[in-house]
Amino acid sequence: DAKTTQPTSMDCAEGRAANLPCNHSTISGNEYVYWYRQIHSQGPQYIIHGLKNNETNEMASLIITEDRKSSTLILPHATLRDTAVYYCIVRAYSGAGSYQLTFGKGTKLSVIP
Amino acid sequence: GAGVSQSPSNKVTEKGKDVELRCDPISGHTALYWYRQSLGQGLEFLIYFQGNSAPDKSGLPSDRFSAERTGGSVSTLTIQRTQQEDSAVYLCASSLQESGDTQYFGPGTRLTVL
Repeated sequence: DAKTTQPTSMDCAEGRAANLPCNHSTISGNEYVYWYRQIHSQGPQYIIHGLKNNETNEMASLIITEDRKSSTLILPHATLRDTAVYYCIVRAYSGAGSYQLTFGKGTKLSVIP
Repeated sequence: GAGVSQSPSNKVTEKGKDVELRCDPISGHTALYWYRQSLGQGLEFLIYFQGNSAPDKSGLPSDRFSAERTGGSVSTLTIQRTQQEDSAVYLCASSLQESGDTQYFGPGTRLTVL
């Protein structure tokens, strides 16, 4: 599986954009980049995913570099409720129809008032 | 709409007892995954269901762990003769189809083995 590298922690001022980077230099051509977040004591929450093109939804934007070796998750106007651990995942086919997810340590984002 | 639900939310048991954890996936989701997350650790895959079949059980840590799924819907993870190292949050996720659609997670069951 392609591994990802994320900063351990980041701070962001409330109301500002939070830009969370992720490196995935060994990603294969058919592997998607997924982002989830986990607020303390809750299950992981899906945010966004993409293959090659930039993506935007109601929660965030995902910018993937042309060579697909890195990506950035953008929360356009961070709020205190966005404080969480953010996981960047390269989702690979595991065989037998399974696409098991592997979470690393993630980035702990702290939104500061 | 309704998301993935899990019960119980918390379970405290004594070492050596059996426990059953339940997952109700999103309606219509044919793929179901069980994971566990130990304190401060990443996500550990346990088992994958497609319908009622489990083509990938490679993550089950020992034969004390088993899971079943009935009617292509509800799944139960059973841990027999629980050990203290089984203490973790057990998470269930479901997705629309086997081709790898987005997985949506439940809130988890926190298992504590005393």
